[in-house]
Amino acid sequence: EPEVTQTPSHQVTQMGQEVILRCVPISNHLYFYWYRQILGQKVEFLVSFYNNEISEKSEIFDDQFSVERPDGSNFTLKIRSTKLEDSAMYFCASIVGTMNTEAFFGQGTRLTVV
Amino acid sequence: ELKVEQNPLFLSMQEGKNYTIYCNYSTTSDRLYWYRQDPGKSLESLFVLLSNGAVKQEGRLMASLDTKARLSTLHITAAVHDLSATYFCAVDRDNDMRFGAGTRLTVKP
Repeated sequence: EPEVTQTPSHQVTQMGQEVILRCVPISNHLYFYWYRQILGQKVEFLVSFYNNEISEKSEIFDDQFSVERPDGSNFTLKIRSTKLEDSAMYFCASIVGTMNTEAFFGQGTRLTVV
Repeated sequence: ELKVEQNPLFLSMQEGKNYTIYCNYSTTSDRLYWYRQDPGKSLESLFVLLSNGAVKQEGRLMASLDTKARLSTLHITAAVHDLSATYFCAVDRDNDMRFGAGTRLTVKP
């Protein structure tokens, strides 16, 4: 069964450092998403991406965040200067983009900022 | 802005009982999803609902959609301990998917 793959599974970084979270969406999917979930809390939308550009972004997705699809397969989320409050699970999801299809989520990256 | 509200946020039920989780949303939508999340895990897709009156069932869970009322329900029948998890609804409009706050379900023997 096709799946969305995220790496690393766990990343520990010092405050102020840059991190890049990686996702490999399902190959024929067209829409990609990043969400974050602070432990035990709501799943928060960060950004959606289609046709090599940002489709929608939330108020959380400020200038510290960026996304790109550098090579047609990977989909990355970069946080330029991490803060303690960026500690969370980050989930990538992808969807084909047609009706009657489900969104598939990766297993997540647990980011810990110390 | 698309907003999604779920209730209750916490639900403790006895095995064998029935209950319903509600999901309201603020604008028209293309798809409505129900997900299950176990502690420390990712989101597992349960149902995708597209059209008004859609009803889907899988085991003890049944989801329905009323697009006119902008309401979806997730009905649990004869709950068992294995159903203990957090359940999220999510609404997708123009491929912009937003989640409700989640319902943490605990099923007690």
